[in-house]
Amino acid sequence: GAVVSQHPSRVICKSGTSVKIECRSLDFQATTMFWYRQFPKQSLMLMATSNEGSKATYEQGVEKDKFLINHASLTLSTLTVTSAHPEDSSFYICSVPLAGGSDTQYFGPGTRLTVL
Amino acid sequence: KQEVTQIPAALSVPEGENLVLNCSFTDSAIYNLQWFRQDPGKGLTSLLLIQSSQREQTSGRLNASLDKSSGRSTLYIAASQPGDSATYLCAVWWRSGNTPLVFGKGTRLSVIA
Repeated sequence: GAVVSQHPSRVICKSGTSVKIECRSLDFQATTMFWYRQFPKQSLMLMATSNEGSKATYEQGVEKDKFLINHASLTLSTLTVTSAHPEDSSFYICSVPLAGGSDTQYFGPGTRLTVL
Repeated sequence: KQEVTQIPAALSVPEGENLVLNCSFTDSAIYNLQWFRQDPGKGLTSLLLIQSSQREQTSGRLNASLDKSSGRSTLYIAASQPGDSATYLCAVWWRSGNTPLVFGKGTRLSVIA
């Protein structure tokens, strides 16, 4: 069964609204989660690293005030796209590394965001 | 800058053919390399993970090789089937497990019946 879930799987919203995407680790606790973004026919690009109990770290060019990340518990990280615009339309996917520095990361099924 | 490149960007082959997908990476000091499959509009399916100390991994009709010194990996698919049609992504870990992956842009494979 799924180890990492994302909700919602698909969302369509009007420009200017905020959208919250959840990433849940179902089987284990995670102090770190990664958020990636994939534009059409492009590769996955790391947006930010979500850290439980502390601030997220963002990659260069990703606006931290636009993409709010909250890692409130060891099993949940949320990504909120604030005041979404059509250029934010993308596939957002999270990954969760297995604790202990193992070679395993579990990817969520992704969230397709379409901003009209 | 650590980058991953995949060639070709797209590939179309008749059913039954054997094929090779290529992945190259800057900075040969990798930790692991992983191949994924992505179906249209879907998430990632892990296919093979090669640790830096390994040269290849096999799973069914898939074989992935790793040549760190030349900064290359190949994914070999034997006896291709229409169900193999998908985008194949190569991703590199440059540090140990608790770090993000760097992905290539993928190779979009179409296997024609």
